[in-house]
Amino acid sequence: AQSVTQLDSHVSVSEGTPVLLRCNYSSSYSPSLFWYVQHPNKGLQLLLKYTSAATLVKGINGFEAEFKKSETSFHLTKPSAHMSDAAEYFCVVRDMDTGRRALTFGSGTRLQVQP
Amino acid sequence: EAQVTQNPRYLITVTGKKLTVTCSQNMNHEYMSWYRQDPGLGLRQIYYSMNVEVTDKGDVPEGYKVSRKEKRNFPLILESPSPNQTSLYFCASSTMNTEAFFGQGTRLTVV
Repeated sequence: AQSVTQLDSHVSVSEGTPVLLRCNYSSSYSPSLFWYVQHPNKGLQLLLKYTSAATLVKGINGFEAEFKKSETSFHLTKPSAHMSDAAEYFCVVRDMDTGRRALTFGSGTRLQVQP
Repeated sequence: EAQVTQNPRYLITVTGKKLTVTCSQNMNHEYMSWYRQDPGLGLRQIYYSMNVEVTDKGDVPEGYKVSRKEKRNFPLILESPSPNQTSLYFCASSTMNTEAFFGQGTRLTVV
């Protein structure tokens, strides 16, 4: 069975400083991994995805994530936070070794950006 | 524009009154699913469908029904809603192997 652990439920940074949101996963197969962002009262928007190509994945709005198989991690980073980055972020793994193809979500990390 | 459309966006209902939340996608995706989002729990899959007339239970199916009569539509049915089904619901669609596209969400309150 697959699982996702987001190591911080809340992260607070100052505008202009780096962002690190941590994610560890467990999967019995080569995983497909995603980061989604949810702004207040909005749906979920895909930030980036890893699907077994390059291990460093670039996404929208300056976000990146690095897939590290040996550490089973897929941490999300951004060099410089902007006020508009304040939102909830979900790390997600897609089950690729059964027919169900379910998405398993982490419990989310709420990012606060201080002026 | 590629999109997943859910209706209604907000719904307040009473215990036991049947309701349906509609979901429609325009991307010709074979895979559709419903999730509920509760604080601290992320999103959990309720039901999914891999194609027309093919549906199956997710992680939290109790109290819900679905149907998939057409490829684009995947309604969620609560035959007898209860207060513990108060939640934020999302419909999603994708191909079998790619990222999911989500609707805007339906905030359901059962009193």
